[in-house]
Amino acid sequence: DAGVIQSPRHEVTEMGQEVTLRCKPISGHNSLFWYRQTMMRGLELLIYFNNNVPIDDSGMPEDRFSAKMPNASFSTLKIQPSEPRDSAVYFCASGLQGIGNTIYFGEGSWLTVV
Amino acid sequence: GQQLNQSPQSMFIQEGEDVSMNCTSSSIFNTWLWYKQEPGEGPVLLIALYKAGELTSNGRLTAQFGITRKDSFLNISASIPSDVGIYFCAGRGGTGKLIFGQGTTLQVKP
Repeated sequence: DAGVIQSPRHEVTEMGQEVTLRCKPISGHNSLFWYRQTMMRGLELLIYFNNNVPIDDSGMPEDRFSAKMPNASFSTLKIQPSEPRDSAVYFCASGLQGIGNTIYFGEGSWLTVV
Repeated sequence: GQQLNQSPQSMFIQEGEDVSMNCTSSSIFNTWLWYKQEPGEGPVLLIALYKAGELTSNGRLTAQFGITRKDSFLNISASIPSDVGIYFCAGRGGTGKLIFGQGTTLQVKP
């Protein structure tokens, strides 16, 4: 079975450009998470969805960040405009809502903003 | 907000030694998860704990869900070089939110 699929794996972009990261969760999962990982701050939860509905976006840094989940098999994280401090690894993870269920991670999107 | 305190921050041990790391929280969790992350990869699930007091093993790994539901530990017995990586604890609450500890970096000297 395919795991969580993220794209692009690597992206280098110039400051001010729009960045869109994509995620395809594991089929059948109804929870989806976006995390950002940096050396300084570790793994930070940005936003998570249950049944395509955003439940908690308190971790989203600022208005430049937005996330959508138009259907159960696709989500995007967008940064507009991007800044050098956005450089990080962005992980998508999915799982089943409820007690007794685990969360599985994609391989991450490595973003560098120059 | 919820925070997980994971310790130690890093460990440098000799091959064959046992390792222990733990996480504590001010909040109660319904699920504790332990992940390992290697360079260039996403976190990979090692052990999942769903009940207070639960003790679960996966090969040389053993983890326990604290009875207060506010802590968990992970032990690795007879460490080997391929155990090198960053180990994360993660707690999941009733809303489904999953938050992570700061990670324990493990280095094993052959």
